[in-house]
Amino acid sequence: SQKIEQNSEALNIQEGKTATLTCNYTNYSPAYLQWYRQDPGRGPVFLLLIRENEKEKRKERLKVTFDTTLKQSLFHITASQPADSATYLCALDIGQAGTALIFGKGTTLSVSS
Amino acid sequence: SAVISQKPSRDICQRGTSLTIQCQVDSQVTMMFWYRQQPGQSLTLIATANQGSEATYESGFVIDKFPISRPNLTFSTLTVSNMSPEDSSIYLCSVGGGMNTEAFFGQGTRLTVV
Repeated sequence: SQKIEQNSEALNIQEGKTATLTCNYTNYSPAYLQWYRQDPGRGPVFLLLIRENEKEKRKERLKVTFDTTLKQSLFHITASQPADSATYLCALDIGQAGTALIFGKGTTLSVSS
Repeated sequence: SAVISQKPSRDICQRGTSLTIQCQVDSQVTMMFWYRQQPGQSLTLIATANQGSEATYESGFVIDKFPISRPNLTFSTLTVSNMSPEDSSIYLCSVGGGMNTEAFFGQGTRLTVV
């Protein structure tokens, strides 16, 4: 079965630095890979989606890369702020209608001022 | 986009009892998904609820324990039956998320079984 791993449970960085979160998957490559943010007591909120034929996607201070050879996605937050502190989840989308996403455990990012 | 109202947001229940969680979506959707998120764990899919048919359960989840209703295209309920402390978790409903679309989630129900 498909597995997805986010290999850091927690990441602590200083404000202004770039946070880099890693997502690795096994078996077949998904059609898309999505990243979500989850705050305590809340459901996940969508951030970015990247297709298997895209190398990189950007949105404001966020950047996602997708390497199907390494079976890995990297999620970067540049110029990080304390408000970026949250849990970040990656999710596989196999690209079939009516199928649910497969989520990783998440990485909890703490940005200190 | 979709807005999902999920309730209750939290509850503390006695073992052996049942809790029904409700999700209301502000638009009609074909599929609704129910997830469980245990502390420190990923979101695990419990079942997919398709209006007009029986829910499809993932391995390790059974209908007797987690009965689901889907009476129309905007509403679904998940019941956690005969609860034990191991059922303490966050339960989330969701729509969307496949085929290049983003998923939308309810706020979650934090269940504690004592």
